[in-house]
Amino acid sequence: ETGVTQTPRHLVMGMTNKKSLKCEQHLGHNAMYWYKQSAKKPLELMFVYSLEERVENNSVPSRFSPECPNSSHLFLHLHTLQPEDSALYLCASSQEGTGVSGYTFGSGTRLTVV
Amino acid sequence: SQQGEEDPQALSIQEGENATMNCSYKTSINNLQWYRQNSGRGLVHLILIRSNEREKHSGRLRVTLDTSKKSSSLLITASRAADTASYFCATPSINDYKLSFGAGTTVTVRA
Repeated sequence: ETGVTQTPRHLVMGMTNKKSLKCEQHLGHNAMYWYKQSAKKPLELMFVYSLEERVENNSVPSRFSPECPNSSHLFLHLHTLQPEDSALYLCASSQEGTGVSGYTFGSGTRLTVV
Repeated sequence: SQQGEEDPQALSIQEGENATMNCSYKTSINNLQWYRQNSGRGLVHLILIRSNEREKHSGRLRVTLDTSKKSSSLLITASRAADTASYFCATPSINDYKLSFGAGTTVTVRA
């Protein structure tokens, strides 16, 4: 366990379904992130939350909707996804404001859209 | 957007040998970080080197940073089968803490 927990580990959903990915951290970090990792591509930063406020939205389609109700929890709500959205979705947290820190990642959710 | 690029894309070595991989980046940075990812899992932070540091060690890991060439290298000494993984470099921009990752180097250590 890294201190960042993602659920579920695996998810198969149809294109008309609505599902949510959950991320939880108990490290006292003040920033949380969603990344998408597709096969043979670099990690893509999707969303950044700092102090529970969204500070980044990297042109992500509206079928992905993040939510950060408090500094320990981050959700990614999914609806009407496409097969090309199948990927490993990684959540990470960090302590920002100190100038130098590394990220702590969860184990990811392997999403398959059918 | 992708900031770092690792080289080579893949590396296969015998157990006990050293593995070296390189990372090049484009813009000025505060620090450069290396991460490891075992198959299908999350990334694990290995080591962070600040822009005013030239070399850093952590166990069997040695990282160098050359800011004039905008490049870094990661050396794994006396490799083990458990070192089989993908290795990524990541950099925040100078006024930004958000990390951009390269495509990674896949290392296979043969027993």
